[in-house]
Amino acid sequence: DQQVKQNSPSLSVQEGRISILNCDYTNSMFDYFLWYKKYPAEGPTFLISISSIKDKNEDGRFTVFLNKSAKHLSLHIVPSQPGDSAVYFCAAPVPGSSNTGKLIFGQGTTLQVKP
Amino acid sequence: DTGVSQNPRHKITKRGQNVTFRCDPISEHNRLYWYRQTLGQGPEFLTYFQNEAQLEKSRLLSDRFSAERPKGSFSTLEIQRTEQGDSAMYLCASSLRQGMSETQYFGPGTRLLVL
Repeated sequence: DQQVKQNSPSLSVQEGRISILNCDYTNSMFDYFLWYKKYPAEGPTFLISISSIKDKNEDGRFTVFLNKSAKHLSLHIVPSQPGDSAVYFCAAPVPGSSNTGKLIFGQGTTLQVKP
Repeated sequence: DTGVSQNPRHKITKRGQNVTFRCDPISEHNRLYWYRQTLGQGPEFLTYFQNEAQLEKSRLLSDRFSAERPKGSFSTLEIQRTEQGDSAMYLCASSLRQGMSETQYFGPGTRLLVL
């Protein structure tokens, strides 16, 4: 079973506070993870990624944490800004697809940052 | 702008008609992917090209769907005898594999509505 799950369909936070978006996966063979942000009527935009050899990757206001034992990753946005309001997808290359790189996506979490 | 482009951005067609979408990837990228996204779901993999070779097709891709990448540059996705269930956002992504990691960059998508 190769699934990536985002169990929270939506999240609302106040501007300036931390946003935490969660993602779980079922196969311990997943070794690379990506987060994408999507605005309405646009394609997904790459945000940040993490390899399974790391447990943290940071890029400005965005940090991704990986807990391999729990098969869980999270995206932290600090401080949250109204422009961060979008749908966030976690994704991973399907294990064993190193030749194709095809991605499997979670269902997405809609983040709303209130001014 | 040197990002991935897709045309048309929107397409409305009647059931039974054929439609064709075009994707222009980032110029130096040798890998090209098609995904389909329906409401409330993450993108789902359809097919993958490395240069001009179509190396993988999803079981989601019925025989009414065909994709080409004739010169290893732009790609087309054709749907014959469209059905209402084909209504979705069709996303194209391109990438350049570097080492063990790969980041796919998405175009804005083509939104198809089949009446």
